[in-house]
Amino acid sequence: EAQVTQNPRYLITVTGKKLTVTCSQNMNHEYMSWYRQDPGLGLRQIYYSMNVEVTDKGDVPEGYKVSRKEKRNFPLILESPSPNQTSLYFCASAPSGGYGNTIYFGEGSWLTVV
Amino acid sequence: GQNIDQPTEMTATEGAIVQINCTYQTSGFNGLFWYQQHAGEAPTFLSYNVLDGLEEKGRFSSFLSRSKGYSYLLLKELQMKDSASYLCALRLAPMDSSYKLIFGSGTRLLVRP
Repeated sequence: EAQVTQNPRYLITVTGKKLTVTCSQNMNHEYMSWYRQDPGLGLRQIYYSMNVEVTDKGDVPEGYKVSRKEKRNFPLILESPSPNQTSLYFCASAPSGGYGNTIYFGEGSWLTVV
Repeated sequence: GQNIDQPTEMTATEGAIVQINCTYQTSGFNGLFWYQQHAGEAPTFLSYNVLDGLEEKGRFSSFLSRSKGYSYLLLKELQMKDSASYLCALRLAPMDSSYKLIFGSGTRLLVRP
């Protein structure tokens, strides 16, 4: 079954304690991306990757890092989380190129920073 | 820059038809997506319009007019399970063909019996 898997799904953490949200896809997709979703603001792109070792900033990259060492994995790293990073996070993947391709989303990770 | 506008909330009756509009300002884009999202869940793909016109998929249809900067999602024979948020998103056309999406803030649809 085609899947994008995120972990953890739910996390409460404290300000400044480094955390990593993992994302893995089993569809051999080149493209992967992280979004955050906040009330009234819709989905905003944090970082994206077009392939292994190729990453770029989205619209709201401050306070986040990513890496793409393997095609299937795209972890999101919060080096020093702050309360304004409390949000619902989605990882997504898609095949590159063409048009009409859809993006597959993970189930989401609820992150609360206190 | 880019800007996407959608109504915040809409209410409709079970069995009826509802049209959710999306207007946008952008210098160029490859296509326009519509996604459905139930509260706390991942967005699920509904449609992708590249060319102007209406695309029909069962109870859902999506329309695009590039010259007017306008799209709509049409939902027919509304069911209670259609209560969800509907997200309009542009796939931008950057030089490197990367997959850059800009989402609207979504329209929350409430279907009443």
